[in-house]
Amino acid sequence: QVQLVQSGAEVKKPGASVKVSCKVSGYTLTELSMHWVRQAPGKGLEWMGGFDPEDGETIYAQKFQGRVTMTEDTSTDTAYMELSSLRSEDTAVYYCATPAVAAHYWGQGTLVTVSS
Amino acid sequence: QSALTQPASVSGSPGQSITISCTGTSSDVGGYNYVSWYQQHPGKAPKLMIYDVSNRPSGVSNRFSGSKSGNTASLTISGLQAEDEADYYCSSYTSSSTYVVFGGGTKLTVL
Repeated sequence: QVQLVQSGAEVKKPGASVKVSCKVSGYTLTELSMHWVRQAPGKGLEWMGGFDPEDGETIYAQKFQGRVTMTEDTSTDTAYMELSSLRSEDTAVYYCATPAVAAHYWGQGTLVTVSS
Repeated sequence: QSALTQPASVSGSPGQSITISCTGTSSDVGGYNYVSWYQQHPGKAPKLMIYDVSNRPSGVSNRFSGSKSGNTASLTISGLQAEDEADYYCSSYTSSSTYVVFGGGTKLTVL
């Protein structure tokens, strides 16, 4: 059984960066294709990007390209999502999830608040 | 504006059946059998209820079923129960650069 445990809530100022982690247990990270989804307060789900196993590359939603970086540390089975140049509209709960198209497994979510 | 269109809300009484629609295009819902449905209770992570249009993950009640016709997918919940009250999201693989698209979500109220 896959378990995904994310890092705790963050408060950031506009213009700063945030890095959210997602620790995998039950499987190794190399056996999964990790993706990230966010949800602004009272809003719907929004796919941000993730690992495409067919191409062997990380793909990002066009909306976030240039601002988001998704990495993996296979030695610790931990995935990371870093979002830069934060603005108030980035205030949301960020989830790691796998696989992308039919996400059976989700992290508990990490609330990122962007406020001056 | 979400890529997939869902009704904002639906409601039903205990024991009744309801259907939630999810309309896309031939680039997503209509072009692939990779439609999923998620249930989300307040403050919780989404839970996969249906994948690949009509398959249920282990542990999901058979009261939940999925189907697709053309560019529209549907989630049907039969024998409504109080605990079914939640937000429901559809998603689909898409051939566009977005890769995965979601619907805007539907709030189910059990009267």
